[in-house]
Amino acid sequence: AQSVTQPDIHITVSEGASLELRCNYSYGATPYLFWYVQSPGQGLQLLLKYFSGDTLVQGIKGFEAEFKRSQSSFNLRKPSVHWSDAAEYFCAVGAQGGSEKLVFGKGTKLTVNP
Amino acid sequence: GAVVSQHPSRVICKSGTSVKIECRSLDFQATTMFWYRQFPKQSLMLMATSNEGSKATYEQGVEKDKFLINHASLTLSTLTVTSAHPEDSSFYICSARGGGEVYGYTFGSGTRLTVV
Repeated sequence: AQSVTQPDIHITVSEGASLELRCNYSYGATPYLFWYVQSPGQGLQLLLKYFSGDTLVQGIKGFEAEFKRSQSSFNLRKPSVHWSDAAEYFCAVGAQGGSEKLVFGKGTKLTVNP
Repeated sequence: GAVVSQHPSRVICKSGTSVKIECRSLDFQATTMFWYRQFPKQSLMLMATSNEGSKATYEQGVEKDKFLINHASLTLSTLTVTSAHPEDSSFYICSARGGGEVYGYTFGSGTRLTVV
């Protein structure tokens, strides 16, 4: 079964600084990988996803993520963080075929200082 | 784009009563819906998967008699928390998938359930 680890529970960055949120997955084959963002008391919004092809994936709101098979990682990056990016970020992994269940990491809370 | 409406957004109920949460796909037909539970500052845990017209598939450890899921139409799934207890207090989120794109989920905005 697949699993996801987000090593950082909480990250604080200054507005305008660059951001990298880490995600490591465990899965026996090529996974489907996702990053979602959740504002307090809200549902999840998809930022980007990787299924196959180019390992650098562009998403919404200026986010990108890079799939590195050798490191089993799918880290999320943004070159310049805005105060509105403060939220909880979840990495998720899905298996190819089957029920399309997603397994989520525990999330990383991002705080943005002015 | 695809929109999923979840209602109510917040509910407070007394211990021992039942609560129904609705998840509607507004502009697409949801062949599959997923129900998640999220504890404070925790990740989302999948509770069950429901396909229209068939019984829901529950994850290990989830009591099917306590968390009743009905997916009677292609646009509506409901989660009923029966005989709710304070430990059932949580944030419940649904997601819906229409035909076509693999993992083409859309999430609802969630329901905060507080059992007093």
